[in-house]
Amino acid sequence: AQSVTQLGSHVSVSEGALVLLRCNYSSSVPPYLFWYVQYPNQGLQLLLKYTSAATLVKGINGFEAEFKKSETSFHLTKPSAHMSDAAEYFCAVRGSGSARQLTFGSGTQLTVLP
Amino acid sequence: NAGVMQNPRHLVRRRGQEARLRCSPMKGHSHVYWYRQLPEEGLKFMVYLQKENIIDESGMPKERFSAEFPKEGPSILRIQQVVRGDSAAYFCASSPQKAGAVDEQFFGPGTRLTVL
Repeated sequence: AQSVTQLGSHVSVSEGALVLLRCNYSSSVPPYLFWYVQYPNQGLQLLLKYTSAATLVKGINGFEAEFKKSETSFHLTKPSAHMSDAAEYFCAVRGSGSARQLTFGSGTQLTVLP
Repeated sequence: NAGVMQNPRHLVRRRGQEARLRCSPMKGHSHVYWYRQLPEEGLKFMVYLQKENIIDESGMPKERFSAEFPKEGPSILRIQQVVRGDSAAYFCASSPQKAGAVDEQFFGPGTRLTVL
C-alpha cells in the first residue's frame, strides 16, 4: 500500500521568497509521484509528476520537485513566490502495475504575503 | 478540447433523498475515477471505472453508493438515502488508455454536495 505525508498543513511565505512544500511517501514498489494544485472551488491541476525518468522534475508555473529515494521525499519548490501561487497543494502517489488510483496527502495551504 | 465536465456543480439534498452526480470525461479518455474530499481533508479514492466495467471499487462505502460508466453517456455516481456525513466535494478524473505509460489524471471542477 502507498501513502504520502505532507508536513505542514499551512505554510506562509512572503512574495518573492522561496516556496518549500514537503512530501514524504511510503511505497512498497517504485512509486509514481505527483503534485497537484487546487484553487478555491476548483478542481485539481497537475503541477508535475515523477515517473522514474529523472529525479529532478520541472513543472508548470516555475515549480519543481526532486525525488530522493534515500529520504523517501518529493518536496515541491519554487525559487520566488508570487501572489497567484496562493492555493492548496496536494502530493499524491500511485503504485506501478494495475493499481491506478491516486493516494493523496492531506494538503498544504500556501499563503503568500505581500 | 473540453476538459472533464461535472454537473451539477452544487447539489443540495435533504436526508433520505438520492443524489446523482454526473461526469463526462475528456474526449478520448476511457478511464474514469471518482474521489471524495471531506472538509479539511485530502481527496480519497472511491472507484475506478472503464466503459461498462467497474475496475476497482475498494474505496466505495459498502452501502448506498454505486457508480456506473455506460457505453454511451456520462459516468454516474449515485448516493441513495443521503445522510449529513455525505456532504463533501466529489471529484471526477479521467485519463486516456496508454499502454505502458503513466498517464495523468485530469480532474473536473467537482460537485459540492450539501445534505440538509
